Amino acid sequence: EPEVTQTPSHQVTQMGQEVILRCVPISNHLYFYWYRQILGQKVEFLVSFYNNEISEKSEIFDDQFSVERPDGSNFTLKIRSTKLEDSAMYFCASGMASGHTKAFFGQGTRLTVV
Amino acid sequence: DAKTTQPNSMESNEEEPVHLPCNHSTISGTDYIHWYRQLPSQGPEYVIHGLTSNVNNRMASLAIAEDRKSSTLILHRATLRDAAVYYCILRNTSGTYKYIFGTGTRLKVLA
Repeated sequence: EPEVTQTPSHQVTQMGQEVILRCVPISNHLYFYWYRQILGQKVEFLVSFYNNEISEKSEIFDDQFSVERPDGSNFTLKIRSTKLEDSAMYFCASGMASGHTKAFFGQGTRLTVV
Repeated sequence: DAKTTQPNSMESNEEEPVHLPCNHSTISGTDYIHWYRQLPSQGPEYVIHGLTSNVNNRMASLAIAEDRKSSTLILHRATLRDAAVYYCILRNTSGTYKYIFGTGTRLKVLA
């Protein structure tokens, strides 16, 4: 079965630093997503990306966050100036443009801000 | 976004069937019912989905009430590897098709 791959699996960064989390979605998918999960809490939607632009974002996705698909294969989440509260698991997902097909999630990047 | 309600936790003995309920009384006619699970330290994993009719796949069965206001995920023979948080999510056929996760049901499987 196809897979969504994320790198790195674990990233430690100092507060105030920029981080880029990378994802390789499934090649023929059209929608791409980022979610986060703070330890012990539920999975939260951050942003969806379609046709090379953001199609929807949550309140969490403020100006510190950005996404891009620079080369048609990778899908990245950038956090400009990390805060302690950004420490979480970040999951990338991809899917087709329909509600009756499944989306695939990556295994996540654990971001630790110190 | 239509909401779902699930019990916080359930227990099952190994090798026995498990029925995980989900209520979604505000479901719309275009919402698909998706089930995902999250094993410890992993990303959400697709289990099954349906619209109106009951569905079976190699992992599980999905029983959907006639009025679609509730559904039940059935694991026919629970194994220790099925211990996970199970999420019932409504996914629309328009918009961005995002998933909105609730708190899910934590399934504990006893040996």
